[in-house]
Amino acid sequence: EAQVTQNPRYLITVTGKKLTVTCSQNMNHEYMSWYRQDPGLGLRQIYYSMNVEVTDKGDVPEGYKVSRKEKRNFPLILESPSPNQTSLYFCASSKYSGGADTQYFGPGTRLTVL
Amino acid sequence: AQSVAQPEDQVNVAEGNPLTVKCTYSVSGNPYLFWYVQYPNRGLQFLLKYITGDNLVKGSYGFEAEFNKSQTSFHLKKPSALVSDSALYFCAVRDMKRNIFGKGTRLHILP
Repeated sequence: EAQVTQNPRYLITVTGKKLTVTCSQNMNHEYMSWYRQDPGLGLRQIYYSMNVEVTDKGDVPEGYKVSRKEKRNFPLILESPSPNQTSLYFCASSKYSGGADTQYFGPGTRLTVL
Repeated sequence: AQSVAQPEDQVNVAEGNPLTVKCTYSVSGNPYLFWYVQYPNRGLQFLLKYITGDNLVKGSYGFEAEFNKSQTSFHLKKPSALVSDSALYFCAVRDMKRNIFGKGTRLHILP
């Protein structure tokens, strides 16, 4: 089944404790992206990757890191999480980075930083 | 800079009535416009998109959207609402690299 998977689905952590949220897609997609969803703010793009070893900042990259060493994986790293990073996070992928391509979303990761 | 606006936080419609969820956009160049739907505790699902051509785009679950270049709008419509259409709807614009989403509109279909 074609899908985007994220792990963990739920995470409660404390300020300053490094964490990684994994994202994997099995569709051989070139483009991958991370978003955070906050009430009243919709989805905001954190980082995106147009292919292996090619990543760039979205609208809200502060406090996050990403890497794209393999085509299928695009982990999101919070080196020192803070409470304002409490949010619902979505990973998405599309076949190409072109504007016409549809994105496929993962199920989401709900992160709480205490 | 590209932007998307969904002017209504919530829309209430009686079951069986037509529904409209509004979206306006601001882009330079030709827009690539999308609608996605989010059901509770789920990720976003693609509904439809406008790339070029016909201004009326048909999508999943009986939804359609009308692209209006002069009004820079891309409103989502359905002729007859179902209770199961109740969800959070997002309009989005995409260029070669980035994706800009609206804040979302919560659609309530009343039985």
